[in-house]
Amino acid sequence: ETGVTQSPTHLIKTRGQQVTLRCSSQSGHNTVSWYQQALGQGPQFIFQYYREEENGRGNFPPRFSGLQFPNYSSELNVNALELDDSALYLCASSPDPGLDEQFFGPGTRLTVL
Amino acid sequence: KQEVTQIPAALSVPEGENLVLNCSFTDSAIYNLQWFRQDPGKGLTSLLLIQSSQREQTSGRLNASLDKSSGRSTLYIAASQPGDSATYLCASTGTASKLTFGTGTRLQVTL
Repeated sequence: ETGVTQSPTHLIKTRGQQVTLRCSSQSGHNTVSWYQQALGQGPQFIFQYYREEENGRGNFPPRFSGLQFPNYSSELNVNALELDDSALYLCASSPDPGLDEQFFGPGTRLTVL
Repeated sequence: KQEVTQIPAALSVPEGENLVLNCSFTDSAIYNLQWFRQDPGKGLTSLLLIQSSQREQTSGRLNASLDKSSGRSTLYIAASQPGDSATYLCASTGTASKLTFGTGTRLQVTL
């Protein structure tokens, strides 16, 4: 059974650019959630996708958008990057939304210069 | 709005000690409470999940308890080892299926 994977591992962008982060969910999981973790802080919920539909969103601006594909992999897109977007971006998958344990990937470290 | 607090923020103990990490949350209407471990610059490893109907869960040297009425959870680590050094995060699941995290307790176990 393959765990949650994310790509790329590290990424450096400049302010104003756009970025796409990718996540492959664990086998059998149809729910993917994205979190942003700033240095020294706990992760903050960005949004969740369940069966290709957005299923909840945190307090993030519209320039943070996502997709989930039929194979339940997911993308996080961030437009018009700002310096404060520098963080570790974590993806988590679960068998179903709600009660189930969430399993996290290794994260993508994004640095915005 | 759910708020999760973890105390202490940092902890250093000698190898072999038993220790308790604390987590409190403001909204008791949670579905479950999950404890995670995070090594520096890495993702999160799930340690224990306690459903709202449960009082505790155990895995090896780890025991987590949940008291919804008081808005508290504790993670007990028995016979600590240097390999336990990491940041420990608790998170509650409420409506919208999102996890709300505390800021973590950074644990260092010394030889």
